[in-house]
Amino acid sequence: SQTIHQWPATLVQPVGSPLSLECTVEGTSNPNLYWYRQAAGRGLQLLFYSVGIGQISSEVPQNLSASRPQDRQFILSSKKLLLSDSGFYLCAWSGQGQETQYFGPGTRLLVL
Amino acid sequence: ILNVEQSPQSLHVQEGDSTNFTCSFPSSNFYALHWYRWETAKSPEALFVMTLNGDEKKKGRISATLNTKEGYSYLYIKGSQPEDSATYLCAFVTDKLIFGTGTRLQVFP
Repeated sequence: SQTIHQWPATLVQPVGSPLSLECTVEGTSNPNLYWYRQAAGRGLQLLFYSVGIGQISSEVPQNLSASRPQDRQFILSSKKLLLSDSGFYLCAWSGQGQETQYFGPGTRLLVL
Repeated sequence: ILNVEQSPQSLHVQEGDSTNFTCSFPSSNFYALHWYRWETAKSPEALFVMTLNGDEKKKGRISATLNTKEGYSYLYIKGSQPEDSATYLCAFVTDKLIFGTGTRLQVFP
């Protein structure tokens, strides 16, 4: 069966510090991968998605970036965090051509 | 910009009550609509994938209907239980999922 891992579970970072959140998927190959953010009081916002290694589509202009160095690994990064980057970050995967998405446990990020 | 709206924003019901809430989406170029349940401290979990106008899907005490012509879907919970407490999200499918802001349901014993 497929599983999706995210780490860390929680993170407190100062403004201006770098960020790296990692997501890995097991039990499937060539998944579509997604990064979402839920800011306080708001819905899920798609940040990035990837249909293959090295292929990243960005949905919202921001100071975040994403990379997919391996088939089942998706990384969310920032060189300098802003206060507005605080939120709950979810990674998800879906099969190629299947729209149902399966979510990881999430990372709660607080930027102070 | 595609708009997916859910109402109400939050709902408090007593155990045993039946309840329903709404997802509104663009009625043109419909492909599919998803429902997810998101319990506190857990990941969103897929409930239903709705694709055809008039679809009705059921999982235990939870069911959903779809009207693509008028652009809405209803989620029903029969005989609510405290474990049904969660945020219920709908997502409109384009080349990606466009999520609504969710309906937060709290069921009191």
